[in-house]
Amino acid sequence: QITLKESGPTLVKPTQTLTLTCTFSGFSLSTSGVGVGWIRQPPGKALEWLALVYWNDNKLYSPSLKSSLTITKDPSKNQVVLTMTNMDPVDTATYYCAHLVYNWNYRSPYYFDYWGQGTLVTVSS
Amino acid sequence: QSVLTQPPSVSAAPGQKVTISCSGSSSNIGNNYVSWYQQLPGTAPKLLIYGDNKRPSGIPDRFSGSKSGTSATLGITGLQTGDEADYYCGTWDYSLSVGVFGGGTKLTVL
Repeated sequence: QITLKESGPTLVKPTQTLTLTCTFSGFSLSTSGVGVGWIRQPPGKALEWLALVYWNDNKLYSPSLKSSLTITKDPSKNQVVLTMTNMDPVDTATYYCAHLVYNWNYRSPYYFDYWGQGTLVTVSS
Repeated sequence: QSVLTQPPSVSAAPGQKVTISCSGSSSNIGNNYVSWYQQLPGTAPKLLIYGDNKRPSGIPDRFSGSKSGTSATLGITGLQTGDEADYYCGTWDYSLSVGVFGGGTKLTVL
């Protein structure tokens, strides 16, 4: 059974750095074809793809946020960490991590089949 | 503004059928698989359809997916009040080098 859970601060101040941890079970991030991604959702708005890390440590970032995002994995701890610098009130959102399946045909991300419950992060002074 | 375009809302009566469209381009839907997610109020998204038309284990066959060119469609038959949710399409965009989601469609079962 695959489960994921996000953890981190619920409130950060503008310009601060946000660090979120995704702790997962039921799969290994060393297994070929597996990835973990981060997606966020501002209140009342749509999903936004942020970043993902593959089993082989390849990483992909949203081009619009690339300069502020860093994703790392620690397979031994079954964790993936996302850091986001220079937080702004527009970054207020629920942040989800999710298990990703790789698309070998198209050599690209395929789909997110398991999601964490999400964690609401508010950016305010 | 989302790269993938969905209608903001759709509605239908219990027991009826509804379709939700997702329009993209050759850099995303036209050259990659589409997945669909259901987000019940206050919960995380749940995978409904992957690979354009495949259902994960446990998803009833009332839910179906199809694709033609640069557009995809989610179909739901035998609507139930429990189907009231937001539905999102998603895929990979080669030009933007980013995963993309639609703006979401709110389904109301009248």
